[in-house]
Amino acid sequence: GPKVLQIPSHQIIDMGQMVTLNCDPVSNHLYFYWYKQILGQQMEFLVNFYNGKVMEKSKLFKDQFSVERPDGSYFTLKIQPTALEDSAVYFCASSSNNQAPLFGEGTRLSVL
Amino acid sequence: GDSVTQTEGPVTVSESESLIINCTYSATSIAYPNLFWYVRYPGEGLQLLLKVITAGQKGSSRGFEATYNKETTSFHLQKASVQESDSAVYYCALGPANKVVFGTGTRLQVLP
Repeated sequence: GPKVLQIPSHQIIDMGQMVTLNCDPVSNHLYFYWYKQILGQQMEFLVNFYNGKVMEKSKLFKDQFSVERPDGSYFTLKIQPTALEDSAVYFCASSSNNQAPLFGEGTRLSVL
Repeated sequence: GDSVTQTEGPVTVSESESLIINCTYSATSIAYPNLFWYVRYPGEGLQLLLKVITAGQKGSSRGFEATYNKETTSFHLQKASVQESDSAVYYCALGPANKVVFGTGTRLQVLP
């Protein structure tokens, strides 16, 4: 079936650096999401994105975070600069209108 | 805010036994939330198991069932006879689909 692909599966960076997490959503989906899960905690909504724009974001979506999907390619989450508390697994998801989102397997981000 | 509370795991049952994983929700910002069960099998990404969007209705998939009970604000997951392949982490969640709120997950281990 259709899949959401996340690249890479694990990324290690030094605090203060920039990181970009890539997501390849299902080709005919129009809604895109990022979720964050800190180890041992629940998965939490960060942001949703539709028609080239952020529709809604949570308080976890700090000013250092940004998302975009240039020219219908990867849907990306950029963190600049990173902080220690950004270490988590980030899940991308996509959906068609009003359907339950389909999730990727996540990218584990380790900020040292 | 909106929240989901589910059985704290791990839950261990023997093959062919019955299973219930409790889920209750609180929807303060949504009058009629969609309710979901997602599942993560070992080594795989999060997948939708079942969803119900109308109060009083039952959803079912792979032998699992859950009924949307608005009176008790519950959406318990049940299966009459589990199999070893059902071992996974199960997440109760509520919507709308463009901003899903997850529970903390319940790890289920089915013994052969």
